[in-house]
Amino acid sequence: DGGITQSPKYLFRKEGQNVTLSCEQNLNHDAMYWYRQDPGQGLRLIYYSQIVNDFQKGDIAEGYSVSREKKESFPLTVTSAQKNPTAFYLCASTQGAWAKNIQYFGAGTRLSVL
Amino acid sequence: AQSVTQLDSQVPVFEEAPVELRCNYSSSVSVYLFWYVQYPNQGLQLLLKYLSGSTLVESINGFEAEFNKSQTSFHLRKPSVHISDTAEYFCAVMVGSNYKLTFGKGTLLTVNP
Repeated sequence: DGGITQSPKYLFRKEGQNVTLSCEQNLNHDAMYWYRQDPGQGLRLIYYSQIVNDFQKGDIAEGYSVSREKKESFPLTVTSAQKNPTAFYLCASTQGAWAKNIQYFGAGTRLSVL
Repeated sequence: AQSVTQLDSQVPVFEEAPVELRCNYSSSVSVYLFWYVQYPNQGLQLLLKYLSGSTLVESINGFEAEFNKSQTSFHLRKPSVHISDTAEYFCAVMVGSNYKLTFGKGTLLTVNP
């Protein structure tokens, strides 16, 4: 089945540690997105990528980094500079680079700080 | 900058009652509007969207939303809800040629028996 796979489902980070969240899609979609979801805050865009080897900062990019070396993969690294990383992280993709196209979401990764 | 306001953070209703989840946006240019639904511990799924044409759009599970340009609103309605409709609902907007969506803070719909 086609879709978006996020792993791991749960992740724990120690103080000062970088952690990487995986996002893989087999939908042959061009654009991919990372969102952060906090209770009562909705979804906030961290980074997005419209094509391979290119990505742009979203609204809350500080403390995060991404790469887009392959069309199907868009990993997110939560660095030690992100002081409040506890949240639910969602990856999404769309066919074409237009946000008016339907966004397909993964099941999310819940990150907590030890 | 575009913004989306969902006026109610929580809406409790009884099964088979009608419901309206309110969404207002701020933009003076053409917009594309969406409603997404999120079930517990899952990602979001598209419920319905307005891109152009008829201002009333419907989903396959009985929800509908009406684009009202003069009131800058895109409220979601269902005439009779089921227990299975319990979820969080997000309104989102894309303005003009922007490449990203702006989401509202969500409305938690709880349907009680």
